[in-house]
Amino acid sequence: RKEVEQDPGPFNVPEGATVAFNCTYSNSASQSFFWYRQDCRKEPKLLMSVYSSGNEDGRFTAQLNRASQYISLLIRDSKLSDSATYLCVVNDGNFNKFYFGSGTKLNVKP
Amino acid sequence: GAVVSQHPSWVICKSGTSVKIECRSLDFQATTMFWYRQFPKQSLMLMATSNEGSKATYEQGVEKDKFLINHASLTLSTLTVTSAHPEDSSFYICSVLDSSNQPQHFGDGTRLSIL
Repeated sequence: RKEVEQDPGPFNVPEGATVAFNCTYSNSASQSFFWYRQDCRKEPKLLMSVYSSGNEDGRFTAQLNRASQYISLLIRDSKLSDSATYLCVVNDGNFNKFYFGSGTKLNVKP
Repeated sequence: GAVVSQHPSWVICKSGTSVKIECRSLDFQATTMFWYRQFPKQSLMLMATSNEGSKATYEQGVEKDKFLINHASLTLSTLTVTSAHPEDSSFYICSVLDSSNQPQHFGDGTRLSIL
C-alpha cells in the first residue's frame, strides 16, 4: 500500500466551480501535512500547510481528519489559473522522510 | 524571492556524458537537502537525502555510484549523473529544509535529456 494516495483525476470543472480533492495516508503517526501545486514541467510550489484545526487561505481551505487519515483541499470560485496538479505531501515526524502523493490534476475551463 | 537555486535548468547531452547539477540554498543554511526525480505524468520520487559533511542516504533501487551526491557546504549540494544514458532522462529536483517538520523549498528543477 502506498504511503500517500490521491485520485489522479483529471478533474474538469468550469470557472467559478467549487472543487475538492482528498488524499489518504497510511501512517497514523504522520505529523505534518502539506498541499503543493505543480504546473506542467515546473517544480512544486507550496500551496498551504494543513493544520489539525483546518485552515483557510483565500479561496483555498485545507482540512485534516486524523481519525480517518485523510486530508482535503477545497478550492472555491475556481479560476483558469488554478489549473495544475495538486500534490499531497505527508511527513511522519522524521524530517528525512516526506511522502508524496501522485498528484491530482485539475483543469479549469472557461 | 527564490529560496533555492538549481542549475542548470536544462541539459541536453550525448549518452555516456556525466552531468553535474547544483542545488544552492540562498536564504539559510541547509544541513539536509533532498534529491528527487520525476518522470512524465508521475509524482516525485525521492532518490537520496544529502547530509552536509557526511555521506548521502540513498533510497532503495538508486545506484549510489551512478548518482554521486556531494554536500560539501551548508548551502550547496551537487548531484552528478555519471555516464548518463537515455533512460536517465528525467526532471531532477532538489529541495531544502530550514527546520524539521516544515515544508520543503524546491529548486526550479533540471530537465535532463540524454540523446
